[in-house]
Amino acid sequence: DTAVSQTPKYLVTQMGNDKSIKCEQNLGHDTMYWYKQDSKKFLKIMFSYNNKELIINETVPNRFSPKSPDKAHLNLHINSLELGDSAVYFCASSQGGGRGTEAFFGQGTRLTVV
Amino acid sequence: GNSVTQMEGPVTLSEEAFLTINCTYTATGYPSLFWYVQYPGEGLQLLLKATKADDKGSNKGFEATYRKETTSFHLEKGSVQVSDSAVYFCALIPTGYSSASKIIFGSGTRLSIRP
Repeated sequence: DTAVSQTPKYLVTQMGNDKSIKCEQNLGHDTMYWYKQDSKKFLKIMFSYNNKELIINETVPNRFSPKSPDKAHLNLHINSLELGDSAVYFCASSQGGGRGTEAFFGQGTRLTVV
Repeated sequence: GNSVTQMEGPVTLSEEAFLTINCTYTATGYPSLFWYVQYPGEGLQLLLKATKADDKGSNKGFEATYRKETTSFHLEKGSVQVSDSAVYFCALIPTGYSSASKIIFGSGTRLSIRP
């Protein structure tokens, strides 16, 4: 059973298109996240979503919008794709608080904008 | 501000060699410290963690000790295997935060093990 699953695994699209990446977790966690990993493997959090509260990283362009239909799903929609959006996008989830909270990651979606 | 600095890779070792990947951090108080590992084609997974000074995290033969005096959390393994080839990320959650939404990752260190 996959704990955090993302689809698609690979996405190749043209500049200017709109695309979505889906994420589902079956761990019963209350918080979900989207991270962006660039070509140098540097990871940066984009969004976190906890019980209908959305926390946005202010450096993320507003072309990126998360959508959470329920606690187990957090999708990422991207409008007007640009070349610089090419990266690997990771969904993750965690439960509750406390020191040492662990995040569980999906396998990633490699987005290539041409 | 809070940050994590890791040694730059790639690190290439022969099987059964001793491994150290250095990690230092900048943060006030007592952050929680983590090592995550990313195997090829996969997402990150937690390798080990420590939440207070002098704690030692360990898993799969890897160890790291939370050193407040040197603000370090170096990853070590006594005898590496080919299957340990991966990218390793040091990370922290700042003092006073308990949510993983505040986690800050280092830039990652790629490890390659030769048979």
